[in-house]
Amino acid sequence: DIQMTQSPSSLSASVGDRVTITCRASQSIYNYLNWYQQKPGKAPKLLIYAASSLQSGVPSRFSGSGSGTDFTLTISSLHPEDFATYYCQQSYSGPPDTFGQGTKLEIK
Amino acid sequence: EVQLVESGGGLVQPGGSLRVSCAASGFTFSTYWMSWVRQAPGKGLEWVANIKEDGSEKYYVDSVKGRFTISRDNAKNSLYLQMDGLRAEDTGIYYCASRGWTSSSFYFDYWGQGTLVTVSS
Repeated sequence: DIQMTQSPSSLSASVGDRVTITCRASQSIYNYLNWYQQKPGKAPKLLIYAASSLQSGVPSRFSGSGSGTDFTLTISSLHPEDFATYYCQQSYSGPPDTFGQGTKLEIK
Repeated sequence: EVQLVESGGGLVQPGGSLRVSCAASGFTFSTYWMSWVRQAPGKGLEWVANIKEDGSEKYYVDSVKGRFTISRDNAKNSLYLQMDGLRAEDTGIYYCASRGWTSSSFYFDYWGQGTLVTVSS
């Protein structure tokens, strides 16, 4: 199975900051990489699919990049509602689809 | 508006059984692969099972193979997960999710609110 490793596991930042979260796959997954946002007590929400495609309705301050084994999620300017946990997920080699362990983004 | 509404969670003893359901609306259910994804308390997301549009293909994470069965009723726009031989490590929130796709990716595009399954004596 393909392993997904996110870094950092947690991150403190301020409103207005630019933030980058990294996801690394244990082997090439081309661009079969998706990003989700989850707020406490809520279901995950799809942000980015196919590494860089923005899901409909998601603000343009979110962007994704990368291919092969290394990917990034960038939030260009943090809004208060962006403080949440973010997960990457690969869908190249599955089943199983595998998720990263999550990155918790907290307010500094 | 797409809606996925899970039900059927609850407290069950180890070794027991439970069936959780997901009612879908707002999209053409019969044309989507569907999935169950779970989340143990305070932990990350874990894919559990997939089912093809017509139910002819099913896939499971190794830890539930032989114990869980995913199924669907396209006439009722409903997805199910029959869970037998439940273990404490199966405790968590169970989400149903639709599986969208493009030529270059598969992804979980819509999620229900989840239903909590607790396995404990």
